[in-house]
Amino acid sequence: KNEVEQSPQNLTAQEGEFITINCSYSVGISALHWLQQHPGGGIVSLFMLSSGKKKHGRLIATINIQEKHSSLHITASHPRDSAVYICAVEAGNQFYFGTGTSLTVIP
Amino acid sequence: GAVVSQHPSWVICKSGTSVKIECRSLDFQATTMFWYRQFPKQSLMLMATSNEGSKATYEQGVEKDKFLINHASLTLSTLTVTSAHPEDSSFYICSAEGLVIRNEQFFGPGTRLTVL
Repeated sequence: KNEVEQSPQNLTAQEGEFITINCSYSVGISALHWLQQHPGGGIVSLFMLSSGKKKHGRLIATINIQEKHSSLHITASHPRDSAVYICAVEAGNQFYFGTGTSLTVIP
Repeated sequence: GAVVSQHPSWVICKSGTSVKIECRSLDFQATTMFWYRQFPKQSLMLMATSNEGSKATYEQGVEKDKFLINHASLTLSTLTVTSAHPEDSSFYICSAEGLVIRNEQFFGPGTRLTVL
């Protein structure tokens, strides 16, 4: 069983739609990261969370420590949001990564 | 799923010494490997992109002579921190992109470097 589970694995949306990607984890964490990877590129860090909620532009990330769950929301999605989104958690001296959610936004 | 290992998982060294970190894809071939570092209480930062058989591409602000990257085979990339100093103490993570399934990345467990 993976320590970090993401859903959905693949997601296709129409431009303008509100998108949610979910992440559940089973270990005690000190922080949770949402990462983005565009095709052919390296990973870009979107958020680092240890509690509550963060917002950056059209992106919102929330975390519920008690439920061991985090969500990444994209409002008014755009084709340039098409990428793989990865949830990663810091637990002790180690990182655990989800397998990623591949998002395609269609014009 | 595919497995990426890193060695060592943690290392302590004296200031001025060099440290080599290995990143291996255990059951798949990786054309591209990425190296990241994480400062305490901060998120991951991409250091460089490594392609098998060619020179690594470094991100702005990362000293290529300080952080030597070698990607000699499709299953191994190494990061050498040369003349390490205490400010190089960090968590270094690699990821590998599959040869068959592009855009799918698999992460190593990370290496904690402490420079005294």
